[in-house]
Amino acid sequence: DARVTQTPRHKVTEMGQEVTMRCQPILGHNTVFWYRQTMMQGLELLAYFRNRAPLDDSGMPKDRFSAEMPDATLATLKIQPSEPRDSAVYFCASGPLRDVDNEQFFGPGTRLTVL
Amino acid sequence: GESVGLHLPTLSVQEGDNSIINCAYSNSASDYFIWYKQESGKGPQFIIDIRSNMDKRQGQRVTVLLNKTVKHLSLQIAATQPGDSAVYFCAENNQKLVFGQGTRLTINP
Repeated sequence: DARVTQTPRHKVTEMGQEVTMRCQPILGHNTVFWYRQTMMQGLELLAYFRNRAPLDDSGMPKDRFSAEMPDATLATLKIQPSEPRDSAVYFCASGPLRDVDNEQFFGPGTRLTVL
Repeated sequence: GESVGLHLPTLSVQEGDNSIINCAYSNSASDYFIWYKQESGKGPQFIIDIRSNMDKRQGQRVTVLLNKTVKHLSLQIAATQPGDSAVYFCAENNQKLVFGQGTRLTINP
């Protein structure tokens, strides 16, 4: 069955290193979202794309985070340089319709630990 | 600013009983609401949604109630089963989805 996939599932890295997380949205979905989940902040929207164009990345620290969709089957979230406070689970979600006010299908997440 | 919050961080119910999870929202302009279920180690899973022009919507064993007057949302789970154990999030949409902090539902045998 169709589902959002994310790689890697787990990542441990040292402070200062670059981290790239990848997401394959469900085929045919044209909205893609990146979320970060921590115990303290809960689920936070970092960025979202519609038809591969970034529509809102106001939740993302611009100095170190970047999100792209090189094609319709791949979304990436990059952190450079990473910091311990970036440790969290990062979820990608995709949606079937044009607007954000519709069901979003979440991937399994990437658990990032920055030492 | 806008916020979505939950009245109770944890809820414990007996297997077979009905569960009611509550959520308060503060943005009266929100027009769409979703309940998600998140099991340990997994991403949130869509349960049910409701638009602001409705006050009730039913799914399989779940019902969402929306009271716009007091800006309150609830999720009712009928005949709660062990597989319902998870954290439940409400989310409201106004330009983008904003998630609440979540309620952990545990089932007593």
